[in-house]
Amino acid sequence: AQKVTQAQTEISVVEKEDVTLDCVYETRDTTYYLFWYKQPPSGELVFLIRRNSFDEQNEISGRYSWNFQKSTSSFNFTITASQVVDSAVYFCALSEANFGNEKLTFGTGTRLTIIP
Amino acid sequence: NAGVMQNPRHLVRRRGQEARLRCSPMKGHSHVYWYRQLPEEGLKFMVYLQKENIIDESGMPKERFSAEFPKEGPSILRIQQVVRGDSAAYFCASSLGQTVYEQYFGPGTRLTVT
Repeated sequence: AQKVTQAQTEISVVEKEDVTLDCVYETRDTTYYLFWYKQPPSGELVFLIRRNSFDEQNEISGRYSWNFQKSTSSFNFTITASQVVDSAVYFCALSEANFGNEKLTFGTGTRLTIIP
Repeated sequence: NAGVMQNPRHLVRRRGQEARLRCSPMKGHSHVYWYRQLPEEGLKFMVYLQKENIIDESGMPKERFSAEFPKEGPSILRIQQVVRGDSAAYFCASSLGQTVYEQYFGPGTRLTVT
């Protein structure tokens, strides 16, 4: 069975600080995908990144970066120089890579508040 | 370049009524997923459909809930005889197929049962 744990329920930081959101996952599969989604106060889900289990390279996209470590089953997300617009709930998710089993298993989310 | 569309965005039903939630996938996407988000919780998978086929319904409650994705038209999530515990946000996502794993989400339907 798959499981995603986001131990940080809520985080508040002052604007321009860096913040890291933790994600730990469990799966028996050797091939899988990891995702991050953002849910702003308006409620929609915004896709941020997909990473497959064979690619452990860290990724950077502007102020966002992701650290994937298979050895610790973690896929952490860092926002550098945070802005008020980053305030949202962030979800980490996991998907197996088998046909017919592509459903996403989500963590419970981390509510990030950026204080101006 | 329309994304995933869901309607209605907000739906209020009295206990015992039926709720029908619609989802139109992105153009060219033939795979649809439904997820439910209870208040202050993460999203939980409900069902995965392709055109005219249910692929995985392991997350669907055994009673009162059903889903379809007909050859023509949107995917429908149907909840019969709604109860207060059905109040939640219901999200639909679509993807191109099993070789592409980005699921793009619609804006959700907020169901309130009074």
